[in-house]
Amino acid sequence: DTAVSQTPKYLVTQMGNDKSIKCEQNLGHDTMYWYKQDSKKFLKIMFSYNNKELIINETVPNRFSPKSPDKAHLNLHINSLELGDSAVYFCASRASGSTDTQYFGPGTRLTVL
Amino acid sequence: GQQLNQSPQSMFIQEGEDVSMNCTSSSIFNTWLWYKQDPGEGPVLLIALYKAGELTSNGRLTAQFGITRKDSFLNISASIPSDVGIYFCAGQLFGANSKLTFGKGITLSVRP
Repeated sequence: DTAVSQTPKYLVTQMGNDKSIKCEQNLGHDTMYWYKQDSKKFLKIMFSYNNKELIINETVPNRFSPKSPDKAHLNLHINSLELGDSAVYFCASRASGSTDTQYFGPGTRLTVL
Repeated sequence: GQQLNQSPQSMFIQEGEDVSMNCTSSSIFNTWLWYKQDPGEGPVLLIALYKAGELTSNGRLTAQFGITRKDSFLNISASIPSDVGIYFCAGQLFGANSKLTFGKGITLSVRP
C-alpha cells in the first residue's frame, strides 16, 4: 500500500547517457513534484505538475524533462547526464487544497560516473 | 528568493534529553511544516502548522508557528535513539502553484 513509489531506487550510469526515473502515487493527489537533494542534504524543488500540466519549473537545465502521462504518474527523463547530476531525486505528491501537505517517495539515488 | 535558516547543522544530545530546533525566514509563509528524514528514505511529515501562533503536538513533538509568520520551532521531549535523523523545516504559501521551501536541515544524533 505504498503511497508514493519511485523506480529505480539506485541508478549508476556513465556520463553522457540518458536515463529515466519513474514515480507513481496512489493517493489520488492532483499535484506531483520532483526534488533534488544534493550531497549536503539540501532539498530543492525542480518541477511541479498539477493534473498533468507543468506549473513549476525552477530553472532546471533543459536536459531534464518531466513527463506526466496521467495524474498518478510523473516521470523524470535526463539527457546527457553530467557528474553534477549525481544526487538523490525525490518525487512527492499533494492534494489540491491549500492546507494539504506533500508526501514524499523513498528517493532515487543517481550516481553519474 | 525565500530562504529558510536552520542552525546549527548538527546537534548531539543524550537519550532522555529535550531538544529544540528553530527555523527562521526572511519572508512570511502561510504554512510551516516539519519533516524528518531517516537515512535512505524520503522526508516524512511530522507536524503541519497553519495559523500564526498555533502550537501543535504530535506525541513527544511540539511545534509552534511564530506570530510574525517568519519563524517556527520544533521541540522533541525525552529523546530516544530512533529520533536520530535529519529534521527539515519547510514553508509554504497558499495556492495551487505553491511550493515548499526547505531549510538546510539539522542532523540530530542521540547518544544512548
